[in-house]
Amino acid sequence: DIVLTQTPLSLSVTPGQPASISCKSSQSLLHSDGKTYLYWYLQKPGQPPQLLIYEVSYLFSGVPDRFSGSGSGTDFTLKISRVEAEDFGVYYCMQNIQLPWTFGQGTKVEIK
Amino acid sequence: QVRLQESGPGLVKPSQTLSLTCIVSGGSVNSGRYSWNWIRQSAGKGLEWIGRIYTSGSTNYNPFLKSRVTISIDTSKNQFSLKLTSVTAADTAVYYCARGILNSWSSGVWFDPWGQGTLVTVSS
Repeated sequence: DIVLTQTPLSLSVTPGQPASISCKSSQSLLHSDGKTYLYWYLQKPGQPPQLLIYEVSYLFSGVPDRFSGSGSGTDFTLKISRVEAEDFGVYYCMQNIQLPWTFGQGTKVEIK
Repeated sequence: QVRLQESGPGLVKPSQTLSLTCIVSGGSVNSGRYSWNWIRQSAGKGLEWIGRIYTSGSTNYNPFLKSRVTISIDTSKNQFSLKLTSVTAADTAVYYCARGILNSWSSGVWFDPWGQGTLVTVSS
């Protein structure tokens, strides 16, 4: 199975400040079709995860542009330019280049 | 707007079978572009993808559960189901159903929407 390792596991951020989360994969997520299948989800308390970014850098519908994703191969980053109150929760990266699909262990973003 | 809702017992005894159903409303399970997935979340193991089914009945399962899991679909009732046999305390988790959407211009799949999740506790 592909293992996704997120760092840090927790992050304390002052609203208005930037935040960055890393996701490293045990194998390259670059498919032979040239696409890279790395996704970011946010789970708010008491809710299921919600999609933020698909295929490394594409913002899902309705996701604010303060979120951005980057990376290639095995190293990926989610950045929030200015964290807002609604952004707090647990962020997960996920891969679906290879079954079984796997998630990172999550990064909890808390208010400082 | 498509909505998914999990239903089933919240308590299952060890060695018995966990059975959950995901009821789909606001849309049809009968679409080739979607897969219908089960994902679980436990404190110890985080998010784990369990498996998926297509309208055709074709399935894929996570190998770590493969011998114990069955996912089925009932297009007449617009729902799909999960059965997990021989459960132990390690199967205690919140179980989510989620629609998998195939990107129209790649092989990528994302999950949207998800059900709210249902907590299943395995205990005698």
